[in-house]
Amino acid sequence: DIQMTQSPSSLSASVGDRVTITCRASQDITNYLNWYQQKPGKAPNLLIYDASNLETGVSSRFSGSGSGTDFTLTISSLQPEDTATYYCQHYDNLPQNTFGQGTKLEI
Amino acid sequence: EVQLVQSGAEVKKPGESLKISCKGSGYSFTTHWIGWVRQMPGKGLEWMGIIYPGDSDTAYDPSFQGQVTISADKSISTAYLQWSTLKASDTAMYYCARLTASSGGGWSFDYWGQGTLVTVSS
Repeated sequence: DIQMTQSPSSLSASVGDRVTITCRASQDITNYLNWYQQKPGKAPNLLIYDASNLETGVSSRFSGSGSGTDFTLTISSLQPEDTATYYCQHYDNLPQNTFGQGTKLEI
Repeated sequence: EVQLVQSGAEVKKPGESLKISCKGSGYSFTTHWIGWVRQMPGKGLEWMGIIYPGDSDTAYDPSFQGQVTISADKSISTAYLQWSTLKASDTAMYYCARLTASSGGGWSFDYWGQGTLVTVSS
């Protein structure tokens, strides 16, 4: 089974900062990597699909990169509303699916 | 507008059965996989399984195989998650989500239900 490891598990940053969250796969997953944002008490929301594609309606302050085993989610110019937990997810040949353990971001 | 609307919160006793629902609207319900995701209190997201409402083809994560049953009634655009014997450890928020394939070959959960909180306590 493919394992997804996120780091850090939590971080604190300030308004206007740029932060990067990483996700490492236990084997090559090409670019089959998604990123989700979950705000407290809410359902997750898709931010990035296929490693680097911004989901419609998502702020351009969010960007994703990477391929193979190493991926990053970058949030530029942090805003208070970015306080959330961020998850990476791998999903290619159904039904294999794995979420990372999450990164809690406090602003 | 695509929407997934889940049934309301449930409080059950250990040993009881339960079926929660997820009603889709605003898209072709029969041509998109629907997945179920568990989130235990204060914990991360866990994928449980998926169903293709068009033919009720299902697949489960090994951790949940035999523990829950996923089904769908395409005539009313509704997917279900059910337990025959609940345990206290089933206490969690459960989300349904729509799976969409990208042009690049990957899959993502692009729309989510609001969640159903299941509490199992004696």
